[in-house]
Amino acid sequence: DAGITQSPRHKVTETGTPVTLRCHQTENHRYMYWYRQDPGHGLRLIHYSYGVKDTDKGEVSDGYSVSRSKTEDFLLTLESATSSQTSVYFCAISESSITYEQYFGPGTRLTVT
Amino acid sequence: DQQVKQNSPSLSVQEGRISILNCDYTNSMFDYFLWYKKYPAEGPTFLISISSIKDKNEDGRFTVFLNKSAKHLSLHIVPSQPGDSAVYFCAASDRGSTLGRLYFGRGTQLTVWP
Repeated sequence: DAGITQSPRHKVTETGTPVTLRCHQTENHRYMYWYRQDPGHGLRLIHYSYGVKDTDKGEVSDGYSVSRSKTEDFLLTLESATSSQTSVYFCAISESSITYEQYFGPGTRLTVT
Repeated sequence: DQQVKQNSPSLSVQEGRISILNCDYTNSMFDYFLWYKKYPAEGPTFLISISSIKDKNEDGRFTVFLNKSAKHLSLHIVPSQPGDSAVYFCAASDRGSTLGRLYFGRGTQLTVWP
């Protein structure tokens, strides 16, 4: 298994509070991604990174920001959590843009009340 | 608008029989396709992929077929086993752009019963 961890694994927070999810990899892969999974929607890309300090938006980026100050860490921040951001969040990594095989972390279940 | 579509949310198959999961795409620029399997409370795991220069790729019990003219791919699992029960996601990418970005379908829940 690819060395990807996510923390926390579960979190309950209140509407309006900031939340930061962390993805940590030990594979030294260049590309990192944040997805959310919701019933009936599959996996939707939030943000991705193609190198340290290089990030770009995905299809559902509103309300989220990311940072990548080190190769191994990719942080996802909900500036002011809303109930619509209740979801399961997955981080993924990829060695290159050529192979396109992404490897996923175990996920973080976030509940916003 | 979804560029990758899995129109069957669920599929039920008897153990030992063939499971066929289908996927359609709309973007003609997609040139690489992948299947992922996901168990509850776990992250998706990569299963098999196919490049657009091929029409078939096989790995053990899993075979992916690609029909570019129909913009359709399918995953065949033969023989199906109870451990194959999971959600299967189809994904696609345009390797000429998008820095490795994958577009996923909504998934098909496969149930293999004894």
